Order: sequence, then C-alpha cells, then structure tokens
Amino acid sequence: AQSVTQLGSHVSVSEGALVLLRCNYSSSVPPYLFWYVQYPNQGLQLLLKYTTGATLVKGINGFEAEFKKSETSFHLTKPSAHMSDAAEYFCAVLGSSASKIIFGSGTRLSIRP
Amino acid sequence: EAGVTQFPSHSVIEKGQTVTLRCDPISGHDNLYWYRRVMGKEIKFLLHFVKESKQDESGMPNNRFLAERTGGTYSTLKVQPAELEDSGVYFCASSQDPETYLNTEAFFGQGTRLTVV
Repeated sequence: AQSVTQLGSHVSVSEGALVLLRCNYSSSVPPYLFWYVQYPNQGLQLLLKYTTGATLVKGINGFEAEFKKSETSFHLTKPSAHMSDAAEYFCAVLGSSASKIIFGSGTRLSIRP
Repeated sequence: EAGVTQFPSHSVIEKGQTVTLRCDPISGHDNLYWYRRVMGKEIKFLLHFVKESKQDESGMPNNRFLAERTGGTYSTLKVQPAELEDSGVYFCASSQDPETYLNTEAFFGQGTRLTVV
C-alpha cells in the first residue's frame, strides 16, 4: 500500500531564506509523486509532480523537488522564500488505483518578514 | 474558464441532520472526484465518477454518505444522518483525462467546510 509522511506540521522561515518541506513515501511499486499547495480560501493547486525520468522536478513559483529512491524521499525546496509562499503544502503519492492520490497530513508554511 | 465550484462554502448542522454538498466541475470534464479532510489530518479520497458512473467508491466511509452525478454534470454528496466525526473540509476535483494524475492534473475546488455540532 502507498503512504506519505510529511515531517513537521508547521514550518516557519524568514523571507529570503531557504524553504525545505520534507516528505517521505512508501510504495510497493515505482511511485508517482506530487506536491500540492493550498493558499488561504483557495482550492488545492498542483505545484509539481514526478512520474518518470529526471529526478529533479521543477514546478511553479520557483519550487522544485527531488525524487530520491534510496531515501524514499521527495522533499520540496525553494531557494528564497517570499511572503506569498505562506500556505499549506501537501505531498501525495498515486494510489494503487489510478483513481486516487494519497495525501500526507500537510505542512503549513509561515514566512517571517 | 470557470473553475470547480463548490456549494456551500460553509455549513453548520446539528448531529442527526442531513446535509447536501454540491460540486460543479469544469465544463466538459468527465472525471469528478470527492475528497475530504477531517480535523486537520490528511486529505482522503472518497470516490471517483466517470460521467454519471461511479468508477471507484472505495473511500466512502459508510452508508450515511451518498454521492450522485445525474446526467454526468454536477455532483452532490449527501450525508444522512450527520455525525460529529463527519466534520471537516470536503473537496471536489475534476479532470478531462481518465489518466488524470499521470497525464494532466485534477483541478480542485476550494472546498466545503462542514461542521456538525
């Protein structure tokens, strides 16, 4: 069965600092991995996804994530945080049925001025 | 192009009452998904429609939940009778491609926050 663990329910960084949101997955098959973001009062939005090929995936708003099979990780990073990055971020893996994705519990990112 | 729209945005009901949530997908999207997030935990899959047919309803928690998609357009999710543990945020998503998560993406609505008191 597939599952996702996000380390840290709340992360706070200073504006301009590195953003690192951690995600580890468990999957019995080669995983397809996703990061979603939910800004206040909005729906979930796809940031990026890994299916096959290059392990470093670039997404919107300057975010990227690296798939590391040996570490079963898919951490999300951004070199320099902006105030507009404040949101909740969800890591996810494609389920055994292509009908669904399995989400982690989310990490709320706060940006300090 | 309008996005996925959910009604209402918030609902507060008493235990034992009935609530109906509605989702209007993006026009032309045959695939419609319901997810929910209970009490700040992970977002969990409920079910997947292809047009008016239930493709996968493995995530529906119990028979108090009934989802319909008559005519293959909008969908409703009814909870009857509601229990305290049903409180949470219910998300709807839609896509055009059956291989949604691989080939494209699911577009999510902003959710309905349900509070059962």
